[in-house]
Amino acid sequence: EVPLVESGGGLVQPGGSLRLSCAASGFTFSSYWMHWVRQAPGKGLEWVSCIKSDGSTIYADSVKGRFTISRDNAKNTLFLQMSSLRAEDTAVYYCARDKYYHLDVWGEGTTVTVSS
Amino acid sequence: QSALTQPASVSGSPGQSITISCSGTSSDIDDYKYVSWYQQHPGKAPRLIIYDVTNRPSEVSTRFSGSQSGNTASLTISGLQADDEADYYCSSYTDSTAWVFGGGTKLTVL
Repeated sequence: EVPLVESGGGLVQPGGSLRLSCAASGFTFSSYWMHWVRQAPGKGLEWVSCIKSDGSTIYADSVKGRFTISRDNAKNTLFLQMSSLRAEDTAVYYCARDKYYHLDVWGEGTTVTVSS
Repeated sequence: QSALTQPASVSGSPGQSITISCSGTSSDIDDYKYVSWYQQHPGKAPRLIIYDVTNRPSEVSTRFSGSQSGNTASLTISGLQADDEADYYCSSYTDSTAWVFGGGTKLTVL
């Protein structure tokens, strides 16, 4: 059983919106902070956002005001609502579990391509 | 949020040891002890190999070790093996309540 499985990626036009999901299993999802981390083609890792177990959120400056992280603890699912998408948002998006400021479990990623 | 600074590439022969540095500022690495390191093979998800500067998950080989001096954290891999060839990223929690990654280091096993 894979602990984290992302979905929802795809091709979207600049200015468009997309919602990513991350299904969690095998652990008490509600107890953990969760993150989204992305990786543009051929580039390094970039932290995107975090949602704490109490629902409070933090964002990287590059996505603040455009992306919204949320969680449904009843469905063990993490979300990332992305709007006003730009070409530079093209990346593989990973969800990851936080175990006290380090990311100990990662999903396999879902690919988002922003292009006309 | 500026990235932590890592060398773009390092290399070593099988059996040798290598060290990858990760330089930050007093706002991140030096102020907090939450430096972590991740290994990423091509086309794969990152994998945690070091956390809280020096701690290693139980499933990670003892050949991997971490250290810190001032604003610089380091990852050392001893007894290099072919499968160690990968990209390595450091990360730190910052005082602006955000996380930051290094630019990544490509390790080549000669």
